[in-house]
Amino acid sequence: KQEVTQIPAALSVPEGENLVLNCSFTDSAIYNLQWFRQDPGKGLTSLLLIQSSQREQTSGRLNASLDKSSGRSTLYIAASQPGDSATYLCAVFDDKIIFGKGTRLHILP
Amino acid sequence: DAGITQSPRHKVTETGTPVTLRCHQTENHRYMYWYRQDPGHGLRLIHYSYGVKDTDKGEVSDGYSVSRSKTEDFLLTLESATSSQTSVYFCAIWRGTTDTQYFGPGTRLTVL
Repeated sequence: KQEVTQIPAALSVPEGENLVLNCSFTDSAIYNLQWFRQDPGKGLTSLLLIQSSQREQTSGRLNASLDKSSGRSTLYIAASQPGDSATYLCAVFDDKIIFGKGTRLHILP
Repeated sequence: DAGITQSPRHKVTETGTPVTLRCHQTENHRYMYWYRQDPGHGLRLIHYSYGVKDTDKGEVSDGYSVSRSKTEDFLLTLESATSSQTSVYFCAIWRGTTDTQYFGPGTRLTVL
């Protein structure tokens, strides 16, 4: 059974710092991995999608990597801003989409 | 914006009453999903649909049923609501393995 783990559960960093969020999964037979952002009381917004054949994807200050063999993905956020404060979730798709519980990120002004 | 709406957005009901949540999409996508989100559990799949009248169970399907009589609508029914079904419910659509899921705004359900 696929399990997705995100560590840490919460993270606070000063504005301007670069940071890395981690996601691990137990079964490497996935189609893709996705990173989402969720603001309080809101739905999920897709940030990046990495296909199983890809190593990384970039969008602006965000870079997501995928290492299927080790069952790991990272989301790198450069030059963090207070507006980046949110919960970040990763999800893997094998025959269903399984979500991690998220990392709650707080950027300190 | 993938044109997904959910109704109602908020609902308070009493234990034992039936409740139906509606998800509506405007883009004619085949795959639709219902999730619930709870503190400490993250997002968990309740049911999903891969076409009109084609549905399957997710990991937390007990106490829930779904129907999809039209491509654009996916209904989630709690036949007899219980307090353990108090949660935020999200609908999502999926365009295929090369694309991501798109989520609706959520429905906050409270069962007293």
